Formats: sequence, C-alpha cells, structure tokens
Amino acid sequence: NAGVTQTPKFQVLKTGQSMTLQCAQDMNHNSMYWYRQDPGMGLRLIYYSASEGTTDKGEVPNGYNVSRLNKREFSLRLESAAPSQTSVYFCASVGTVSREQYFGPGTRLTVT
Amino acid sequence: ILNVEQSPQSLHVQEGDSTNFTCSFPSSNFYALHWYRWETAKSPEALFVMTLNGDEKKKGRISATLNTKEGYSYLYIKGSQPEDSATYLCAFSPTGNQFYFGTGTSLTVIP
Repeated sequence: NAGVTQTPKFQVLKTGQSMTLQCAQDMNHNSMYWYRQDPGMGLRLIYYSASEGTTDKGEVPNGYNVSRLNKREFSLRLESAAPSQTSVYFCASVGTVSREQYFGPGTRLTVT
Repeated sequence: ILNVEQSPQSLHVQEGDSTNFTCSFPSSNFYALHWYRWETAKSPEALFVMTLNGDEKKKGRISATLNTKEGYSYLYIKGSQPEDSATYLCAFSPTGNQFYFGTGTSLTVIP
C-alpha cells in the first residue's frame, strides 16, 4: 500500500517548455487534488477531481491543465512553463469515509 | 477566494509546556475544518477532521475544538515534546470538495 505517489520528485524546466506531473493513489479514493506551495503562502488548490471523469478549477488554475485518467491517476500538465510556476507541487486524495486528505511526497519544480 | 488565518505564525516553547494555536475561517457555508501536521521535508499528515459545531477531538496529547458560529478552531498540545516540532496547518472546506489552507503555525519545542 504505497498511498499517494508522485513523479518526478525534482524537475528543472526552461521557460516555454512543457511537462506533466504524475500522481497515483492506491486507496480507491474518489477525490484527488493538485496544490502548489510557495514560501509565505498556504497550500493553494490548482485543480481537483471529485470523481473519475470530472475535473474542476481551484484557486489558481491559470497555466495548468489536468487529466483524471482513471480512478487511480490524476496528472497535472504545464503547457508552457513560466518562472512564476516555480513551486512545490503536491497531489492529494481524500478518503471517502474519513474525509482525511492524504498527500504525496511533492514535486519540486524550478522554471528558469 | 476565502481567507483562512492562523496565529501565531511561529512559536517557541520549552519541553513540557502546553500550547495552543488558532485557526480562523469564514463562519458561513461550513462543511469541515481539517488540521494537519507538517514536518520539514515530509508531506502534511492529517490530524483531525472536524465537522460539527462544538466538536472536540483528541489524539494523544493533541486536541482540537471547533466553533463554526464564530469561525474558529483551536489546536492544543499538552506537555510539548521535541518531536512535536512541526508546522501545523488548518484547512477550511465550505463544500467538502475544495480546501482553503492557512499559512500554518510553526512550532519549535526546545529541549
């Protein structure tokens, strides 16, 4: 039981490059989330998926797209990376009964 | 965008002291209030999920209370230990789907 896994752990991109952050959970949770964490700010919701086949914008969706590939996987795509997207990205899933949120280990992204 | 505030921003206490932090959130459209513990270089870990006004939850030496009418929650740590050093986050959920996080209270317990 791995919980929530994220790949990669670290990534450096040049401005304008694209990449996809991968997230998977093995807890059979319906809801999955992508957050970014910046110094001096709380975790901010980028996108979430309340169930397989649905996605919704959070607080800071601009510059990102998501795909809920199946119940296990929820990916975050940066189409044209910008320095303002330098951040630590966390994926999370929420337990259907407990409503506790389980976080992945994070991806540290630097855009130069 | 909803405003969730935590105070104090940071706290240093001596081992054995008891301490408490505050999380303030909008008092309308309440679904749940979550508390998390976040150690350096790790991911946030859930402590409590609180849903009812007047809720009190306890896990070992850590407990939390909830007042949804006035929009605040307190987290208490009794007899702080060095291993309690971490950032404590709260997250407000108005609908059960979205979460709005505070910036956290950083606790350092001095041996």
